[in-house]
Amino acid sequence: NAGVTQTPKFRILKIGQSMTLQCAQDMNHNYMYWYRQDPGMGLKLIYYSVGAGITDKGEVPNGYNVSRSTTEDFPLRLELAAPSQTSVYFCASSYSPPPGTDTQYFGPGTRLTVL
Amino acid sequence: AQSVAQPEDQVNVAEGNPLTVKCTYSVSGNPYLFWYVQYPNRGLQFLLKYITGDNLVKGSYGFEAEFNKSQTSFHLKKPSALVSDSALYFCAVVRSGSARQLTFGSGTQLTVLP
Repeated sequence: NAGVTQTPKFRILKIGQSMTLQCAQDMNHNYMYWYRQDPGMGLKLIYYSVGAGITDKGEVPNGYNVSRSTTEDFPLRLELAAPSQTSVYFCASSYSPPPGTDTQYFGPGTRLTVL
Repeated sequence: AQSVAQPEDQVNVAEGNPLTVKCTYSVSGNPYLFWYVQYPNRGLQFLLKYITGDNLVKGSYGFEAEFNKSQTSFHLKKPSALVSDSALYFCAVVRSGSARQLTFGSGTQLTVLP
């Protein structure tokens, strides 16, 4: 299994540009999550999904959108990039919600800089 | 609301010595507690979790953590540190019943000196 994969690894955006961060998992997990990690801070939940077609907001959803058309994929969309969105973005997945018998498995991250 | 505090941004320890990374939590109801480790340029990796039962939880790579309800703490420990343990460690909590959202601490950078 590849686990959780994310593309791209790095990206620089100009203010006002848009982009989609891709996330895919091959473990047939129902639950998927997007987090952002700012320097010196813990991870903050942006959006999560409990299954295909079902998404919900996390702690910091403003400026982002998500969709979940398949079990495998959970893309994160930035519509109008702002410098405050400069961060490292992690996607994660789990078979069941925490704590469950499973845990969250994380992708390698996407480092995004908005100038 | 739920929160996690990791009071030390940085912990340095000599190789072979015991290490402790501290975590305290605040949550209404019963907590479920986790430790994750992050190596440079990598995603987080699960180390261990406390759900219920024995207060001493054993996890991956020789790590263990002790749940202390009266002190609302869940400190991570290892009897003998390795240089390869150097990484960023995160404590996280979820309230039983909320089921979906983990709250992470700000992280503690552990450096094991040879």
